[in-house]
Amino acid sequence: QSALTQPASVSGSPGQSITISCTGTSSDVGSYDLVSWYQQHPGKAPKLMIYEGSKRPSGVSNRFSGSKSGYTASLTISGLQAEDEADYYCCSYAGSSALLFGGGTKLTVL
Amino acid sequence: QVQLQESGPGLVKPSETLSLTCSVSGYSISSGYCWGWIRQPPGKGLEWIGSIYHSGSTYYNPSLKSRFAISVDTSKNQFSLKLNSVTAADTAVYYCARIPHTGSGVQATLHYVDYWGQGALVTVSP
Repeated sequence: QSALTQPASVSGSPGQSITISCTGTSSDVGSYDLVSWYQQHPGKAPKLMIYEGSKRPSGVSNRFSGSKSGYTASLTISGLQAEDEADYYCCSYAGSSALLFGGGTKLTVL
Repeated sequence: QVQLQESGPGLVKPSETLSLTCSVSGYSISSGYCWGWIRQPPGKGLEWIGSIYHSGSTYYNPSLKSRFAISVDTSKNQFSLKLNSVTAADTAVYYCARIPHTGSGVQATLHYVDYWGQGALVTVSP
């Protein structure tokens, strides 16, 4: 199992929208609607932002949205704010009771 | 409010065994969910190690060598991780987590991590 593929970094200005991609294979992202996204600030534990592809947990801003097309899942953050600057990780169910994470994307708010 | 807390030694010598325990409060492990371990080497990404169902069924990352063992103690509302023959490459922050799932027994479909512990840094060094 290789890690899901994410861009190493993305950036955007306050108020703009950005999208982070997460590319997998037919064994994971392509086969299940079970992609989740996590936000991690330095020195902190990850926080669930999106689950089951496009669902938001209670308390997560509706500026965060998730989608999937084929083998690629995406996280979109609209109305970018300074506090959104963090690392973001995707994760997918990979069959055989296994989870697979992406390599992570560092979001910089300019 | 569900809370998870890792505990264990922060320093382990090479070739020895790493042992961590996750104490769960606010939810009874025996009521359901899968419970898992995820690690993050310094400056690197997240890696799922494995998970355990309250019945004791375990699921491990097939990419990792079988040096890991996860167990559960429902009487203490805790689950544990053991990793033997550690090397410097096992230096990481280790997180325990709660994982919603469907199915059970031989194969469970893991959905996502909804609760994380704060993480425990384990350093492997002589």
